[in-house]
Amino acid sequence: AQSVAQPEDQVNVAEGNPLTVKCTYSVSGNPYLFWYVQYPNRGLQFLLKYITGDNLVKGSYGFEAEFNKSQTSFHLKKPSALVSDSALYFCAVYYGQNFVFGPGTRLSVLP
Amino acid sequence: NAGVTQTPKFRILKIGQSMTLQCTQDMNHNYMYWYRQDPGMGLKLIYYSVGAGITDKGEVPNGYNVSRSTTEDFPLRLELAAPSQTSVYFCASSTGQGYNEQFFGPGTRLTVL
Repeated sequence: AQSVAQPEDQVNVAEGNPLTVKCTYSVSGNPYLFWYVQYPNRGLQFLLKYITGDNLVKGSYGFEAEFNKSQTSFHLKKPSALVSDSALYFCAVYYGQNFVFGPGTRLSVLP
Repeated sequence: NAGVTQTPKFRILKIGQSMTLQCTQDMNHNYMYWYRQDPGMGLKLIYYSVGAGITDKGEVPNGYNVSRSTTEDFPLRLELAAPSQTSVYFCASSTGQGYNEQFFGPGTRLTVL
């Protein structure tokens, strides 16, 4: 069965530094990959997705993600973190009419 | 354009009670979804619908029922509430196939005592 792993429960980064939130997946074939962000007491918001084509995907709020098929990874990145980026981040995969979300990574950007 | 709205925001139920969680979207999306979010577990798909009159089970459908009589509405019914159903419930919608982004409602926090 397909699965999504986010190996870090929590990521702390200083404001202005680059950030990476990791995601690996286990799916046979070609998955569709997503990143969503959740702010406190809110629903999830779409950040970006990979369907096909260029392995580097750019999304909202300056975020980008790199699809690596050989490592089955889809890490979320941002060159310069903001305090307002502090939130819960979810990686998700769509495959075979089924959506699977990872457990989430809490990002804290420290001023 | 309100997007996806959910009511109520909070609810406390006693074991064995029933309730319906309401979900409405005004974006004319065909696809709608119900998820539950448990701490540290991510989101689990309960039911989904690809259009009015069509629903299908997700990963964790037991204890829930849905209907989809209109494009806009996708209510989730809990018939006999159990403590294991204590969770935050999110409704979402999308324009079409699963490779399209989903738009989420603000959630309903349900506690079963």
